[in-house]
Amino acid sequence: QVQLQESGPGLVKPSGTLSLTCAVSGGSISSTNWWSWVRQPPGKGLEWIGEIYHSGSTNYNPSLKSRVTISVDKSKNQFSLKLSSVTAADTALYYCASTRAYSNNWYDYWGQGTLVTVSS
Amino acid sequence: EIVMTQSPATLSVSPGKRATLSCRASQNIRSNLAWYQQKPGQAPRLLIYGASTRATGIPARFSGSGSGTGFTLTISSLQSEDFAVYYCQQYNNWPPWTFGQGTKVEIK
Repeated sequence: QVQLQESGPGLVKPSGTLSLTCAVSGGSISSTNWWSWVRQPPGKGLEWIGEIYHSGSTNYNPSLKSRVTISVDKSKNQFSLKLSSVTAADTALYYCASTRAYSNNWYDYWGQGTLVTVSS
Repeated sequence: EIVMTQSPATLSVSPGKRATLSCRASQNIRSNLAWYQQKPGQAPRLLIYGASTRATGIPARFSGSGSGTGFTLTISSLQSEDFAVYYCQQYNNWPPWTFGQGTKVEIK
């Protein structure tokens, strides 16, 4: 059973870069899963940010693509999110999530989420 | 981008009664739809994928139906632990995968 755990700063200054890491346990980052980030502004719905496969192949939400980078660190069995030029609109609960297989595009596994606030 | 619209926004149901939640896609997504349950302070939990296949460990009182642009999640007999927010997600056209805005099921 794959388990995911997000970590990173809970407060980021406007115009700065949000950086989060998702540690994977109970499975290998090199397995046939898509590793993803999803966010949820306070009191609102879910927004898909993007995904990465262990090969390094990525897909991003076009609305965020110019500011997002998702990467994989196989040596640490983790993947990461960087979101640049943040504003208050990027304040949200950030979840890492993963599929069970390459051909699946629904999310069986979720981290517990980490709240990131953008404020000076 | 495919827009997913859920209705109603809030559904008030008595324990033991049936709940019917709707999700509509702005384009044909075939059967490429998942449903999630989210309780306060928790991550979403996968309930249904492929529009009608229950995920591992999901009780049989949860059922999904539909294809194309119209989908339904039915909870046959609401238990206390079922009061939560439910989201649909399409995975037919990306990027991006998109979610509905959610339906809150509350105790009547």
